[in-house]
Amino acid sequence: GEDVEQSLFLSVREGDSSVINCTYTDSSSTYLYWYKQEPGAGLQLLTYIFSNMDMKQDQRLTVLLNKKDKHLSLRIADTQTGDSAIYFCAETNPDTGRRALTFGSGTRLQVQP
Amino acid sequence: EAGVAQSPRYKIIEKRQSVAFWCNPISGHATLYWYQQILGQGPKLLIQFQNNGVVDDSQLPKDRFSAERLKGVDSTLKIQPAKLEDSAVYLCASSLEGATGNTIYFGEGSWLTVV
Repeated sequence: GEDVEQSLFLSVREGDSSVINCTYTDSSSTYLYWYKQEPGAGLQLLTYIFSNMDMKQDQRLTVLLNKKDKHLSLRIADTQTGDSAIYFCAETNPDTGRRALTFGSGTRLQVQP
Repeated sequence: EAGVAQSPRYKIIEKRQSVAFWCNPISGHATLYWYQQILGQGPKLLIQFQNNGVVDDSQLPKDRFSAERLKGVDSTLKIQPAKLEDSAVYLCASSLEGATGNTIYFGEGSWLTVV
């Protein structure tokens, strides 16, 4: 079955770049996502990438996809204290009818002032 | 546009009691999902509805969990009897029919503590 793995914790200083990594096992995954969850809140979609892309940039966010290694990363430039949250990697494969998201266990990002 | 509404936001029950959660999806969204998120883990799909039909309930513990979406709009998720390990956040999400993950919208969740 599908599996998505992430490192548990990342600590950075305000103003530095953060890189959160994710690996997945389903080589047929066609859509890959990054979600943000702040304490006590629901899931907020940050960005997504199609599997035929290598990179996507959206303001401070850069997503890199290495399809060969099944590795996805999220880079946050100029990290702010407001970026402190849990970040989830997720994937789907609608071509197989599987539209529901499969999530990783989340990476807690701590931004130190 | 109103988002996905869930209630109650918080619930504390004793083990072996029952509990029900309610979800009102975004208007017009045919697909509805229930996820369970245990503390320190990512959300796990419990059940997916397309209108009032079940698409995937393979990870729903059917001996104690049930869900319905009778008129293809609102949905309820019930746990009876609850166990300690059911303590989690129950997230409801919805999307248009045929939508992919970039258009799945999540509610704020219902937090369950079983003591």
